[in-house]
Amino acid sequence: DIQMTQSPSSLSASVGDRVTITCRASQGIRNSLAWYQQKPGKAPKLLLYGASRLESGVPSRFSGSGSGTDYTLTISSLQPEDFATYYCQQYYSSPPTFGQGTKVEIK
Amino acid sequence: EVQLVESGGGLVKPGGSLRLSCAASGFTFSSYNMNWVRQAPGKGLEWVSSIISSNTYINYADSVKGRFTISRDNAKNSLYLQMNSLRAEDTAVYYCARGMGLGPRSNVFDYWGQGTLVTVSS
Repeated sequence: DIQMTQSPSSLSASVGDRVTITCRASQGIRNSLAWYQQKPGKAPKLLLYGASRLESGVPSRFSGSGSGTDYTLTISSLQPEDFATYYCQQYYSSPPTFGQGTKVEIK
Repeated sequence: EVQLVESGGGLVKPGGSLRLSCAASGFTFSSYNMNWVRQAPGKGLEWVSSIISSNTYINYADSVKGRFTISRDNAKNSLYLQMNSLRAEDTAVYYCARGMGLGPRSNVFDYWGQGTLVTVSS
């Protein structure tokens, strides 16, 4: 199975900050990477797929990049509604696997 | 509007069984691969099982293989997960999730239900 490692596990940031979360795969995944946002008590929500393709309805302050084994999720200007846990997920090979999550908290 | 509504969760003793259901609406259910993803309390996400649109290919996580059975009824727009020989480590919120499209994107989960909690405890 492909292991996905996110860093950091948590971070504190202020409204308006630029935030970057990193996801590393244990082998190359050819941009087959999705990012999800999850708020407490709620289901995950798809933000991006194909490493950089924004899901319909997701604000443009979210962006993704990367290649090979290393990928990033960037929030260009953190908004109050963005405080949540973020997960990366590879779908290059079965089984699909998730990172352990990055919790974005209010500073 | 796409909706996925899970039901069937609850408290069950170790070794017991439970059947989860997911009622789908707002899209052509028979055209999409469907999945179960779970999340143990305070933990991350774990893919459990998937079934393709035509019912002809099924896949399971190693952690549930031989104990869980996924199925679907395209006439009823419903997805199921039969869980047998339950263990404490199966305690989690179970989400029904739609696969985004065909091919590799079938394992991108674009819509999720609200989840149903399964607790395995004596």
